[in-house]
Amino acid sequence: AQSVAQPEDQVNVAEGNPLTVKCTYSVSGNPYLFWYVQYPNRGLQFLLKYITGDNLVKGSYGFEAEFNKSQTSFHLKKPSALVSDSALYFCAVNSLGGGSYIPTFGRGTSLIVHP
Amino acid sequence: DSGVTQTPKHLITATGQRVTLRCSPRSGDLSVYWYQQSLDQGLQFLIQYYNGEERAKGNILERFSAQQFPDLHSELNLSSLELGDSALYFCASNPVGTGNTGELFFGEGSRLTVL
Repeated sequence: AQSVAQPEDQVNVAEGNPLTVKCTYSVSGNPYLFWYVQYPNRGLQFLLKYITGDNLVKGSYGFEAEFNKSQTSFHLKKPSALVSDSALYFCAVNSLGGGSYIPTFGRGTSLIVHP
Repeated sequence: DSGVTQTPKHLITATGQRVTLRCSPRSGDLSVYWYQQSLDQGLQFLIQYYNGEERAKGNILERFSAQQFPDLHSELNLSSLELGDSALYFCASNPVGTGNTGELFFGEGSRLTVL
């Protein structure tokens, strides 16, 4: 079985400062890792993914994530936070089930960017 | 707009009742996933269909059932509703059923309130 942990329920950061939202995972075999964002009263939107290759992955809205195999982590980062980045962020890992890959999601981290 | 359509957006009903949630996937997507999002459980995978057939099953209660029709839309049926079934139900789609490493495209969800 695979799992994802997002150790922080909430992250607070000032606008213009760098942000990090943490994610660790546990999976058998090679991980396929994803970040999604959920704005209030909306569905989840895909931000970026790691399948293979470079450990630093760049995605939408200036976000990036670093895959660290030895630490089984996939932290989401942004060099300069915007108030509009305030949302709920989900990390996800894919696993094999019934012949298909079923993403398992973390519990989410609420990012609050203060003006 | 992800291209995934869910109806109804909001639904209020009483305990013991039955409801049906509907999902139309993105054009061309063969896979449909159903997730339940609640405050205490996070985002839980319920079930996946691929081209009309059940492909994977998660934490779906026996009181819940789903199907995918020939036109690829899907319905999630929830019966004998309990207060604890109150949640946001998401549908997601993607093109691939097997060995998928791609992201999911989520609808905006159906918010179910059981009174």
